[in-house]
Amino acid sequence: EVQLVESGGGLVQPGGSLRLSCAASGFNFRSYEMKWVRQAPGKGLEWVSHISGSGSTIYYADSVKGRFTISRDNGKNSLYLQMNSLRAEDTAVYYCARVGAPHDAFDLWGLGTMVTVSS
Amino acid sequence: EIVMTQSPATLSVSPGERATLSCRASQSVSSNLAWYHHKPGQAPRLLIYGASTRATGVPARFSGSGSGTEFTLTISSLQSEDFAVYYCQQYNNWPLYTFGPGTKLEIK
Repeated sequence: EVQLVESGGGLVQPGGSLRLSCAASGFNFRSYEMKWVRQAPGKGLEWVSHISGSGSTIYYADSVKGRFTISRDNGKNSLYLQMNSLRAEDTAVYYCARVGAPHDAFDLWGLGTMVTVSS
Repeated sequence: EIVMTQSPATLSVSPGERATLSCRASQSVSSNLAWYHHKPGQAPRLLIYGASTRATGVPARFSGSGSGTEFTLTISSLQSEDFAVYYCQQYNNWPLYTFGPGTKLEIK
């Protein structure tokens, strides 16, 4: 089955760290660009980070630059998001998403994992 | 950053009727516009890309139109599973692909 499954969310104190994982299955993972997208409670969708299929090209939204690190392990069909110096405003459901081809829309999403930053 | 707006914020429609959702971009995004369907607790689902091309498996009752800055998603005959939040997204300004705030489609 073609799917993405996120894990690693939870409750963390401000200033703390979390590492999110996204396990891909059913498709040639290394051939696809991947994204992290988040949705804060009651808010819309916000792009967080991008990584190319090889992992050589990476981008971040200004709101997380310098604090979050995206990476991937194509041998393990996995995508990661290391989140440091977490703030209350990082509280959200975090989704991993696959970038489609030949278009650039996000054609496959996971169910998401909830991150709550609170003391 | 390209700012996306959607209207209305909430749309109340009866099952079987037609729904028309609008999306506007702050500058031209050509036809690099996607629509997504999202229900709480579920994964967002790609409906339309390229402004008017249905994604794999999307029913024909969903259609998209527009280019430049004005876009429309039309659902011709609403089914129960269609009541959800709909987001438009531009993917013209790589890699900063921005989403609209969403339109909640609710049962009238």
